[in-house]
Amino acid sequence: SQKIEQNSEALNIQEGKTATLTCNYTNYSPAYLQWYRQDPGRGPVFLLLIRENEKEKRKERLKVTFDTTLKQSLFHITASQPADSATYLCALDQDSNYQLIWGAGTKLIIKP
Amino acid sequence: SAVISQKPSRDICQRGTSLTIQCQVDSQVTMMFWYRQQPGQSLTLIATANQGSEATYESGFVIDKFPISRPNLTFSTLTVSNMSPEDSSIYLCSVEGAGGPRETQYFGPGTRLLVL
Repeated sequence: SQKIEQNSEALNIQEGKTATLTCNYTNYSPAYLQWYRQDPGRGPVFLLLIRENEKEKRKERLKVTFDTTLKQSLFHITASQPADSATYLCALDQDSNYQLIWGAGTKLIIKP
Repeated sequence: SAVISQKPSRDICQRGTSLTIQCQVDSQVTMMFWYRQQPGQSLTLIATANQGSEATYESGFVIDKFPISRPNLTFSTLTVSNMSPEDSSIYLCSVEGAGGPRETQYFGPGTRLLVL
């Protein structure tokens, strides 16, 4: 069955450093991969989408890579700030329908 | 992007009762989705609600337990019926973005439900 894995342990990063989060998937080939941010008690907020034919996507301090051979996406936040502290979710589409498959998320803590 | 509101934001309910959650969008959308998110877990899709048709439920979710209404293109409700403590969760509604649901979804703030 289709499966997404994100680091379940919280990631602690010093302010100003680059935070890198990982999303691995198995058993299928998504056309799109999305990253969302979720703050406690709030719904997920869309950040970036990357397509299968794109290697890298950037938006301000955010960078996403998509390696379809490794079946992995990396999400980078450069010059991290305490305000970046949140849980980050990856989601992949299923090419057979409109549904998304969601990872459980990685909690990122940026320490001042 | 769409702006979505949900009511109530949170509630504490007794087992055996029912709660109806409302989802309002600031623009007309074809597809609305209802998710459940339990602590530390990924989002689980409950059902998809299209205006003018019956909701489509995912495996493990049934209409008798989670009846859904979609009276127009900006509004939907999800009812959690005959609640038990296992229904304690965050319930989220979402809508598709301009590129379709496979490209982007916009979420409401969620309804945090605790069943005693």
